[in-house]
Amino acid sequence: DADVTQTPRNRITKTGKRIMLECSQTKGHDRMYWYRQDPGLGLQLIYYSFDVKDINKGEISDGYSVSRQAQAKFSLSLESAIPNQTALYFCATSDSRAGAYGYTFGSGTRLTVV
Amino acid sequence: GENVEQHPSTLSVQEGDSAVIKCTYSDSASNYFPWYKQELGKRPQLIIDIRSNVGEKKDQRIAVTLNKTAKHFSLHITETQPEDSAVYFCAASRIGSSNYKLTFGKGTLLTVNP
Repeated sequence: DADVTQTPRNRITKTGKRIMLECSQTKGHDRMYWYRQDPGLGLQLIYYSFDVKDINKGEISDGYSVSRQAQAKFSLSLESAIPNQTALYFCATSDSRAGAYGYTFGSGTRLTVV
Repeated sequence: GENVEQHPSTLSVQEGDSAVIKCTYSDSASNYFPWYKQELGKRPQLIIDIRSNVGEKKDQRIAVTLNKTAKHFSLHITETQPEDSAVYFCAASRIGSSNYKLTFGKGTLLTVNP
């Protein structure tokens, strides 16, 4: 399912570096989300956006920022990466207008901070 | 905010046996409960969902039950097969909320032994 595309798929970066993870979707969904997955901790919400002018913090937003450049694009930035931000990051979309409340996930970005 | 507890964290069954995963939620206003399956190295995918106006929903070998009074819901997989081996996540949310987002449980690693 290439409807929700994340780039890069894998990334190794050094502590203190700025890094951007990108998400684009062709589903026409209005809502987009960034989650972080750590073993044993499930999926934790970082930021979410209901439209281009709407950005909301999730439960673990510290150290992250986002940009909704267009309805189809939602980027996650780590301004100064630290090792405990090593994780698997997922972008997801949903469509409130069609009553499709379940998410469609991207294929994930595995980020390692050394 | 919503809190979702999921048990067990790991579950091992023999092929052909049934598997049950249970979740509890804290927000009595939650009314949408999806389940996701994540195979190793892949994205989570929606496998079944239920809304609070329904007590049970089935789709072939999988079923979900909901007890609104007790605020818990369960995933039942019958006649398990090795390809059912994966991490399963439950989630809860409130459709109609201006702040709609899914809150996930921590996941259950299901292993089906041949």
